[in-house]
Amino acid sequence: AQSVTQLGSHVSVSEGALVLLRCNYSSSVPPYLFWYVQYPNQGLQLLLKYTSAATLVKGINGFEAEFKKSETSFHLTKPSAHMSDAAEYFCAVLHSYNNNDMRFGAGTRLTVKP
Amino acid sequence: ETGVTQTPRHLVMGMTNKKSLKCEQHLGHNAMYWYKQSAKKPLELMFVYNFKEQTENNSVPSRFSPECPNSSHLFLHLHTLQPEDSALYLCASSQGGTGQPYEQYFGPGTRLTVT
Repeated sequence: AQSVTQLGSHVSVSEGALVLLRCNYSSSVPPYLFWYVQYPNQGLQLLLKYTSAATLVKGINGFEAEFKKSETSFHLTKPSAHMSDAAEYFCAVLHSYNNNDMRFGAGTRLTVKP
Repeated sequence: ETGVTQTPRHLVMGMTNKKSLKCEQHLGHNAMYWYKQSAKKPLELMFVYNFKEQTENNSVPSRFSPECPNSSHLFLHLHTLQPEDSALYLCASSQGGTGQPYEQYFGPGTRLTVT
């Protein structure tokens, strides 16, 4: 069975600092991995996805993630945080290829301090 | 309208009421999903419809009843709910079919409060 674990339910950074949100996966097959963002009172928005092509995936809003098989990780990074990045971030793995059953991590709330 | 829309955005209902949540997608997708998002818990997949056929029911209580009349519309019928059913209910859609890593597109959710 496929699953993801997000390390740290809450991350706080200063504006302009590096953002690093951690996600580790468990999968018996090559995984398909996703990062989503949720702003207050909104649904989830796709930031980026890994589908076994390039291991470094670039997404929207300056975010990127690197797939590391040896570490079973798919951490999300952004070189310089903006106030507008404050939100909840979810890592997800495609659980079942039969019905697009996606399993989500518990989420990491990112706070950006001025 | 674009993307995935959900109505109502907020709903307060008593435990004996019957209500329905509505989801509509304008993306030409063939798969639709209901998720439950509760505080301090991971997103829970409730139901999946692929080409209007229900392909997943994750042990959801029968007080939740989904309906998918066509590939653009999805309903969640609610009756005799419990206070612990209070949550944000999210609808999503994606390309249909199997074996492909299609991303899901989410609506803004319906905030449900059961009193």
